[in-house]
Amino acid sequence: GAGVSQSPSNKVTEKGKDVELRCDPISGHTALYWYRQSLGQGLEFLIYFQGNSAPDKSGLPSDRFSAERTGGSVSTLTIQRTQQEDSAVYLCASSLVSAGAEDTQYFGPGTRLTVL
Amino acid sequence: AQRVTQPEKLLSVFKGAPVELKCNYSYSGSPELFWYVQYSRQRLQLLLRHISRESIKGFTADLNKGETSFHLKKPFAQEEDSAMYYCALLTGGGNKLTFGTGTQLKVEL
Repeated sequence: GAGVSQSPSNKVTEKGKDVELRCDPISGHTALYWYRQSLGQGLEFLIYFQGNSAPDKSGLPSDRFSAERTGGSVSTLTIQRTQQEDSAVYLCASSLVSAGAEDTQYFGPGTRLTVL
Repeated sequence: AQRVTQPEKLLSVFKGAPVELKCNYSYSGSPELFWYVQYSRQRLQLLLRHISRESIKGFTADLNKGETSFHLKKPFAQEEDSAMYYCALLTGGGNKLTFGTGTQLKVEL
């Protein structure tokens, strides 16, 4: 089947605007993750959803960032009042059950966000 | 706090030469470590995980708890190995990956 998909692939926005990034996980995967890859830095964990449990938001850098997952499937990452430092590639991943080291996270192609 | 360090941003080797991509970690719990790879214009994908103790595409990695290292090795580099390699540590109760900054491997002919 299809892998993790993300849209848009590229987004250019002006400072101060809000943006929404979308992630469609692999069908049947209960766990969904968002990461951010900034220039010269590694991938940074943002947020994690597992089934109907409360999401782990410990990686969100500020209250301008939020994410939701509707119906246990599609997820949207929203960045309000974007700043230039938000420019990065935002990666979504999903996994079957989030069962530790034997579980595999499958990554999407990413959304490249540029804030002017 | 957990941390993954990949000291080399770029590693350039000749085809057929041995490769070692370094990874060191800092973590108070029992570490679960992975190597991810991103080939040009492709998405990030799992290469290997330490619990499997297997060789993937000729690559192996051994967890050394004494040295807190998980270096990735291959005895003979191939051109198709050129890619970005990320070392990652599973934390947060088994659901978060903490990544290193990555090493770009370039295999020259």
